[in-house]
Amino acid sequence: GEDVEQSLFLSVREGDSSVINCTYTDSSSTYLYWYKQEPGAGLQLLTYIFSNMDMKQDQRLTVLLNKKDKHLSLRIADTQTGDSAIYFCAESIDEMGSNSGYALNFGKGTSLLVTP
Amino acid sequence: EAQVTQNPRYLITVTGKKLTVTCSQNMNHEYMSWYRQDPGLGLRQIYYSMNVEVTDKGDVPEGYKVSRKEKRNFPLILESPSPNQTSLYFCASSFLGSPLHFGNGTRLTVT
Repeated sequence: GEDVEQSLFLSVREGDSSVINCTYTDSSSTYLYWYKQEPGAGLQLLTYIFSNMDMKQDQRLTVLLNKKDKHLSLRIADTQTGDSAIYFCAESIDEMGSNSGYALNFGKGTSLLVTP
Repeated sequence: EAQVTQNPRYLITVTGKKLTVTCSQNMNHEYMSWYRQDPGLGLRQIYYSMNVEVTDKGDVPEGYKVSRKEKRNFPLILESPSPNQTSLYFCASSFLGSPLHFGNGTRLTVT
């Protein structure tokens, strides 16, 4: 499929805010997701947003969705060294015409490095 | 504990020697899928399954087989592995229309 685009690297200082950006491809995607991958581990679902929402906040995480521009962002407030990981943006895709968005089309991931 | 379990975590094999990577989930999920993760390429879907005995190709199915004889298990089979299948593999599962849950990955090296 077409590519979900993310910048590859981001470096921030501990305590600052991090903003990871993503451009997705399918305007009919039902859900948009952020996954976190720590070294040697699988992907952990961080948060997701339904396509009819503009914003979702969950503790230190804020997701902003601009459907017109197909742009998704993840803001991490008060970034900690434990937030260092790879962050994947993903859009739900419609497999077998089911319109249920089971499968995901992933970006290549943004490596976030948090320095003390 | 609800989880997706893959085995083995690490595997080194030689070209042409058939292997199976197992995946099991205990959440009664209908949907299961296999992805491979490669540097610079992100995650690419290999095969998926909507339910028992229902499987279909993803974006990169060549060289792989799957089966779904039971709801909880979705093994990935490499009949004749080649070095270009050296990768990090993830199994994932979900209820239909819900977020995917991932296993911890299997790192495969084919020499």
